[in-house]
Order: sequence, then structure tokens, then C-alpha cells
Amino acid sequence: DAGVTQSPTHLIKTRGQQVTLRCSPISGHKSVSWYQQVLGQGPQFIFQYYEKEERGRGNFPDRFSARQFPNYSSELNVNALLLGDSALYLCASSRLTQLGEGRTGELFFGEGSRLTVL
Amino acid sequence: AQKVTQAQTEISVVEKEDVTLDCVYETRDTTYYLFWYKQPPSGELVFLIRRNSFDEQNEISGRYSWNFQKSTSSFNFTITASQVVDSAVYFCALKTDRGSTLGRLYFGRGTQLTVWP
Repeated sequence: DAGVTQSPTHLIKTRGQQVTLRCSPISGHKSVSWYQQVLGQGPQFIFQYYEKEERGRGNFPDRFSARQFPNYSSELNVNALLLGDSALYLCASSRLTQLGEGRTGELFFGEGSRLTVL
Repeated sequence: AQKVTQAQTEISVVEKEDVTLDCVYETRDTTYYLFWYKQPPSGELVFLIRRNSFDEQNEISGRYSWNFQKSTSSFNFTITASQVVDSAVYFCALKTDRGSTLGRLYFGRGTQLTVWP
């Protein structure tokens, strides 16, 4: 079975531009989460989506948005890019079948999209 | 508030040495879950182990073992007989049972482990 897949793997943008990152969860996984990992730091939670609805949001500005599609894939959008947005963006899926269930389960991560903002 | 502290930034050992990675966590929740993830240079976070707050039994799985002590809020991870392939960044993470943050992992800053041949 395929793991969590993310695209693109690497990209370079300039300040002020917009970027869209994509994630396909493991087959059967309905929950997708996004994390930002700045160099030298641990991943920081951005969003969680379950059944196409936002279920959690971290401390990130409104420039960050996301959505989940009927096939449970997800996109993360970042507008008006800043130099500080340069990071590895990780997507994770988990086997939540209903809210509350599967909360003990682990997240499965993709290899990430490495964004560089110049 | 939830917080995970990994005081060790970098650790270097020679192959076959045992190495312990430290993790201290903070939470007011009574039910929570602790994880260790490994991040090789490829970037993918690889799940290693999980422990529930209501189960303090320590276990060994192959070369991995962990020591969970609620009294000191610690969740340390030991690799026995380290190998060069163990070189990676290791993250300790915490997840609580609150509905508003369901599924959210709180990560430490990571420990870079380098195993020399």
C-alpha cells in the first residue's frame, strides 16, 4: 500500500507569492494534518481536517488555509509568502473513523514539501 | 498547555554503544499519549513507539526500549547496540485527548543522533 504522498517535493518561491501544497493520505485514512517544520525545530501543528471539515488549527496567521476533498486528499495554501515561511511542510494521515476514535493511533507522515522563500 | 522538552540537542556515539534519548513532557490532561519518531535525512517522520498515560509498563522491542515514568514526566528512549543506520533526528511527541486538539501532536525540538562506525 502506498504511504502518504506529497507534492511537490521541493519548490522555490519569492516573497509575496502564493503556494499550494498537496497531500494524498494512506488509503482508508480520513484524517489529514499539516505541520510546519522550520530548520532545527520540531514540527508545529497547522491544521487538521477530518471528513472535509477543519477540526483543529494551530497558531498560524490567516495567510495559511487548507481544504480536504471528497477523496480525502488535501491542499495547503499559503498566501503572501514571507521569508519565515521557508520550511519543510509535512502532511500526516491517521485512521480516524469518527471523532474520538483512533485518538491513540499514530500519525503516518509523508516526506514533506520543502519550501524555500527568497 | 502541552510542552515537550528534549534537552539533548546532539549526541554522538560509536557503533555498538547504547544511547538514551531524554524526553520530559508537560500536560494537565490525565489521558495522553507519548510517541517517539525518527526523521532520517529524507525528511519523513517514521513512527517508532507509542505509550499511553495509563500504562507505565516499560518494554523492549528489538534494539529499542523505553522508560516511561509519570512521577517525573519523562519518556526516555534507548537504542541498544547502536548502528550507523540509526543516525537521524529523533523527536519525542505528546498527544492529549482534548476534542479541540484531537490528533494534534506536540513535538520537542529533536535530538540529532550520530553513530560513527
